[in-house]
Amino acid sequence: AGVTQTPKFRVLKTGQSMTLLCAQDMNHEYMYWYRQDPGHGLRLIHYSYGVKDTDKGEVSDGYSVSRSKTEDFLLTLESATSSQTSVYFCASSQNPLQPQHFGDGTRLSIL
Amino acid sequence: QQQVKQSPQSLIVQKGGISIINCAYENTAFDYFPWYQQFPGKGPALLIAIRPDVSEKKEGRFTISFNKSAKQFSLHIMDSQPGDSATYFCAANYTGGFKTIFGAGTRLFVKA
Repeated sequence: AGVTQTPKFRVLKTGQSMTLLCAQDMNHEYMYWYRQDPGHGLRLIHYSYGVKDTDKGEVSDGYSVSRSKTEDFLLTLESATSSQTSVYFCASSQNPLQPQHFGDGTRLSIL
Repeated sequence: QQQVKQSPQSLIVQKGGISIINCAYENTAFDYFPWYQQFPGKGPALLIAIRPDVSEKKEGRFTISFNKSAKQFSLHIMDSQPGDSATYFCAANYTGGFKTIFGAGTRLFVKA
């Protein structure tokens, strides 16, 4: 199956919290959360290099992550703002210099 | 210094023509340069990648040209087809680095 993201679409109200789920079945050590916005390409939110090992990317404010097992990487929006309206992609790779395998994204709208 | 600059933002090419997308980087530590292809509603997928020890890599109709001294690399799509219409991202990473830096993307449309 590769990388599976849940949900595919969601609409939130400002101030609500939300957790996006990412699961991979390739036993990859590295996992990543990106957001994709027009004109910005893919920007890294957080990444993980092992169970319980995570670090911030370039746009981490307002987001937290957790990785309790190799397969899963969760992204939480603690108190959603309209600026977090975006398409979110999860990816995994064997190591940083191997291809990243992406999910099909979660389209999130915050009103 | 961590940026990867990609151009053009969008590109329209006739069927059978050559599509060219360019990228430039500043960090001389980068030593892995992948290109990803993304179709609407899907996540990006690796298309082709190159290391700086070679100046060119070809896979089918897709070729990466790499100019280490100029810190530039480009993707050439020969005999472009309507099925190649997608968004293309260049990217860069370095040995020991955790993060891949992506360009802003190029939307390619191939006219039939």
